[in-house]
Amino acid sequence: GAVVSQHPSWVICKSGTSVKIECRSLDFQATTMFWYRQFPKQSLMLMATSNEGSKATYEQGVEKDKFLINHASLTLSTLTVTSAHPEDSSFYICSARELAGDSYEQYFGPGTRLTVT
Amino acid sequence: GQNIDQPTEMTATEGAIVQINCTYQTSGFNGLFWYQQHAGEAPTFLSYNVLDGLEEKGRFSSFLSRSKGYSYLLLKELQMKDSASYLCAVMDSNYQLIWGAGTKLIIKP
Repeated sequence: GAVVSQHPSWVICKSGTSVKIECRSLDFQATTMFWYRQFPKQSLMLMATSNEGSKATYEQGVEKDKFLINHASLTLSTLTVTSAHPEDSSFYICSARELAGDSYEQYFGPGTRLTVT
Repeated sequence: GQNIDQPTEMTATEGAIVQINCTYQTSGFNGLFWYQQHAGEAPTFLSYNVLDGLEEKGRFSSFLSRSKGYSYLLLKELQMKDSASYLCAVMDSNYQLIWGAGTKLIIKP
């Protein structure tokens, strides 16, 4: 099956610093990658959608200058949380949609737990 | 607006059967997904329905009625490891996933 990896799996950083999270599709090419955020005991919240080679589309309320998304290739997308603050502490999950066929299934990465101190 | 409704929490007994319902109102419909999410982990795919009817996959089955905007996930022969949150998500006309809040399923011995 399709595999999506995320790195790092967890990170602790100090307030004011920036953190980069990588999302890779390991055995397929992803036309579209999605970034989600999930706070404890809440459902997934879509932050942004990115297509390879174009700018990401951000959901309402998500600051594009704070959450920088780069989708440089069909297998890699990165999310950079700039000037992180404690309220950015959350579980960040990426997913990837495969390029081939009529499948619109999203394959999820294992998630990255960010703690800002 | 777009809306996905599912119960917040359900409790069932090991070995029994449980049905988790999901109703939706979305702008367009390109399929309905069920995901399982254990605490602290990313969601894992369970099923995809785009046509009316029942899809069976082992102990799990998913049903869809597009005219009623309704789906359910049926879990049979419940095991303790089935304790998790079950997320219903609908793909709208823009091929975006609209997520329900999830149903926390508690399995008791």
